[in-house]
Amino acid sequence: GAGVSQSPSNKVTEKGKDVELRCDPISGHTALYWYRQRLGQGLEFLIYFQGNSAPDKSGLPSDRFSAERTGESVSTLTIQRTQQEDSAVYLCASSFRTSGRNEQFFGPGTRLTVL
Amino acid sequence: DQQVKQNSPSLSVQEGRISILNCDYTNSMFDYFLWYKKYPAEGPTFLISISSIKDKNEDGRFTVFLNKSAKHLSLHIVPSQPGDSAVYFCAARSSGGSNYKLTFGKGTLLTVNP
Repeated sequence: GAGVSQSPSNKVTEKGKDVELRCDPISGHTALYWYRQRLGQGLEFLIYFQGNSAPDKSGLPSDRFSAERTGESVSTLTIQRTQQEDSAVYLCASSFRTSGRNEQFFGPGTRLTVL
Repeated sequence: DQQVKQNSPSLSVQEGRISILNCDYTNSMFDYFLWYKKYPAEGPTFLISISSIKDKNEDGRFTVFLNKSAKHLSLHIVPSQPGDSAVYFCAARSSGGSNYKLTFGKGTLLTVNP
């Protein structure tokens, strides 16, 4: 079956512009996660969705960042008024649930470059 | 404050020899540990995990060891193969309400030379 897909794979934007990143999770996965990886750093948790529960937004670095998910399907991460420090690879992951082994399946990421 | 540390940014080994990747953590609430492998331009893929109630977990050529008293874990790959060349991330999860959150180290780039 298909894995987690993300689009676009690369995005170059000018400082101050808004960007929208998309994630298609594995069908049937109820949990969806967004992470960010800046150059030379580990993956940094941003936000978590589980079914119809309220998302955990505790990792979002500022109010310029927001994310939505419709039911148990597609999610979009929006960054408003982008800054150069937002340049990173944004990774999406999904899993069946959060208990037990909690194996998260990752997409290939979107490389965002803010000029 | 880095709660999961991978102090070696890179490691180079010869094909057929053992690769040992190390990871240290500071949060005593972590109860589950995972290793992910990442090739360039791909997302991380799950490799192996260990619960804090164990001190060893083995899966084929991959073995993870956990030393809770030292807050240290290691991934052993034997024998190493050129296809193992990738970045390896150590990750940890804590018990409790936010047990879905994984905390990652910065990764170690493993190069296996033919």
